[in-house]
Amino acid sequence: DSGVTQTPKHLITATGQRVTLRCSPRSGDLSVYWYQQSLDQGLQFLIQYYNGEERAKGNILERFSAQQFPDLHSELNLSSLELGDSALYFCASSVDAGTEAFFGQGTRLTVV
Amino acid sequence: AQKITQTQPGMFVQEKEAVTLDCTYDTSDPSYGLFWYKQPSSGEMIFLIYQGSYDQQNATEGRYSLNFQKARKSANLVISASQLGDSAMYFCAMRTNTGNQFYFGTGTSLTVIP
Repeated sequence: DSGVTQTPKHLITATGQRVTLRCSPRSGDLSVYWYQQSLDQGLQFLIQYYNGEERAKGNILERFSAQQFPDLHSELNLSSLELGDSALYFCASSVDAGTEAFFGQGTRLTVV
Repeated sequence: AQKITQTQPGMFVQEKEAVTLDCTYDTSDPSYGLFWYKQPSSGEMIFLIYQGSYDQQNATEGRYSLNFQKARKSANLVISASQLGDSAMYFCAMRTNTGNQFYFGTGTSLTVIP
């Protein structure tokens, strides 16, 4: 158990819908990262938050947004979903830059 | 730009043998960390081992060791005494201390044969 909790584990939804993925980092970790893993794209960095503030943005679509709350949990919002958004979405947390990140078990999103 | 390269899409190893998974990296940042993660078929990403760019000794964690050759920009993972449970995808990753994201390779699928 990495200590990072992601909910839900599985999500099936229709095209055009909006979903929210939730992540609780390990106790004491201030950084949260979101990654998307699909078969054809590998692990793609989406966005990073540090202590409530956005620190880095990767290949995140405009239809996607995220935030980190004062209690340090984070949510990834995916809207106007398309079939191609089907993927495994990971949250990871770390104490700060330069240290290892621990991953949650992921949320497997299926868009039908 | 930062880049991680894993050139072995798939590897096979006999149970109880050692295996080396290759990883090369590219960065101009003098300070960085190298990581290996394991992803079994169940999907979770499991942190295995970390090597800092200024570490003098190669990192070891149980049966895992990281063969760090800084001049060659390589960070190969060595798994000793392979077990059936080692069958999984293995990802090499890097993060520079001035950057914020982890850069991942494309992964190597390891199959341990009984």
